[in-house]
Amino acid sequence: GENVEQHPSTLSVQEGDSAVIKCTYSDSASNYFPWYKQELGKGPQLIIDIRSNVGEKKDQRIAVTLNKTAKHFSLHITETQPEDSAVYFCAASNFGNEKLTFGTGTRLTIIP
Amino acid sequence: GAGVSQSPSNKVTEKGKDVELRCDPISGHTALYWYRQSLGQGLEFLIYFQGNSAPDKSGLPSDRFSAERTGGSVSTLTIQRTQQEDSAVYLCASSSLGGYTFGSGTRLTVV
Repeated sequence: GENVEQHPSTLSVQEGDSAVIKCTYSDSASNYFPWYKQELGKGPQLIIDIRSNVGEKKDQRIAVTLNKTAKHFSLHITETQPEDSAVYFCAASNFGNEKLTFGTGTRLTIIP
Repeated sequence: GAGVSQSPSNKVTEKGKDVELRCDPISGHTALYWYRQSLGQGLEFLIYFQGNSAPDKSGLPSDRFSAERTGGSVSTLTIQRTQQEDSAVYLCASSSLGGYTFGSGTRLTVV
């Protein structure tokens, strides 16, 4: 089955700087890669996703890049703000199967 | 409703008792998932329902755990003879050909 590894497990950045979280996956059949943000006491929320037919997707300060050859994808947050502090999870699936395999999470702390 | 609804939001139970956790998915979503999240940990897959297909129960940690989904909508996760190690947040999610929408979870504490 699919295995998703996520790094780093914790990340602290100064407000205004950029943050990058990286994930690798093992199953070359995976073609859907979402990212979730989980704030304290809440369920994870989808913030951005990418399908394997594109290499990059942006939504305001958030971007995701995908390298299918190397089987890795990354989340980039620019101009970080205190409200970006949360736990972030990457995931992967074969889109037709729908069941996601999650990474182990990254706790991001933005230092004011 | 607009989102995935879980109840109760918090549950404290005595060791050895049975508990039922409920999930109301987004209307029309064919897939429903249960995950468990221990304090500060990642998402542990428990069970997956897809339409009328047999559920994927491969993540259930023991035979004390079971789940059903009635009428392709509401799901109930049942834990029998609860143990202290069952204490966690139980998250439900639903989807339809895309990313999951999670509920806010049920925080279960076994004392």
